[in-house]
Amino acid sequence: SQQGEEDPQALSIQEGENATMNCSYKTSINNLQWYRQNSGRGLVHLILIRSNEREKHSGRLRVTLDTSKKSSSLLITASRAADTASYFCATDNLKTSYDKVIFGPGTSLSVIP
Amino acid sequence: DAGVTQSPTHLIKTRGQHVTLRCSPISGHKSVSWYQQVLGQGPQFIFQYYEKEERGRGNFPDRFSARQFPNYSSELNVNALLLGDSALYLCASSLGVSSYNEQFFGPGTRLTVL
Repeated sequence: SQQGEEDPQALSIQEGENATMNCSYKTSINNLQWYRQNSGRGLVHLILIRSNEREKHSGRLRVTLDTSKKSSSLLITASRAADTASYFCATDNLKTSYDKVIFGPGTSLSVIP
Repeated sequence: DAGVTQSPTHLIKTRGQHVTLRCSPISGHKSVSWYQQVLGQGPQFIFQYYEKEERGRGNFPDRFSARQFPNYSSELNVNALLLGDSALYLCASSLGVSSYNEQFFGPGTRLTVL
């Protein structure tokens, strides 16, 4: 089962624009993480936000977390062609001992030069 | 330092066969996790091992098994392969089992079952 659900499924923007992706989840969490994946290869960890944090920044990335709505957003500012990739949110799972980390289906981002 | 390595890169098998995938974690990392990623979907957690013990298991049939060796490398075994097992298998290593530990992913093994 997938806990995280990203929205939109696909996003196409011009270089220099901002890109916003959203993630919703179902159960209580300790933290939420965002990953990037280029061309179906290994994932790269971008940022982790704890359940008691509301916002976190890392370079051109800004992540927000709303635990009351069980949602998070990833904002990439001043996008570049190199940002073209799939982006996934992942949560830990406090509900059961199974499925320790749950990824969403991802948002495919295309940045057009 | 080398990152997480996986072998082989690609693999083609036929239904009913057995496959073994291998993973070497980053030096100093004691936890290894395995994920299955079907095309167009997010990775799905299969196993986590820490200090050679299973510390987590996803919703996969018993055809899937894994183990971790004293040097912290790991193997994922899949028996009686089905067409639906075709996927990218990702290995990730981390310092410990806590979800706060950053996971470092390998490039994956692309398994095709014919």
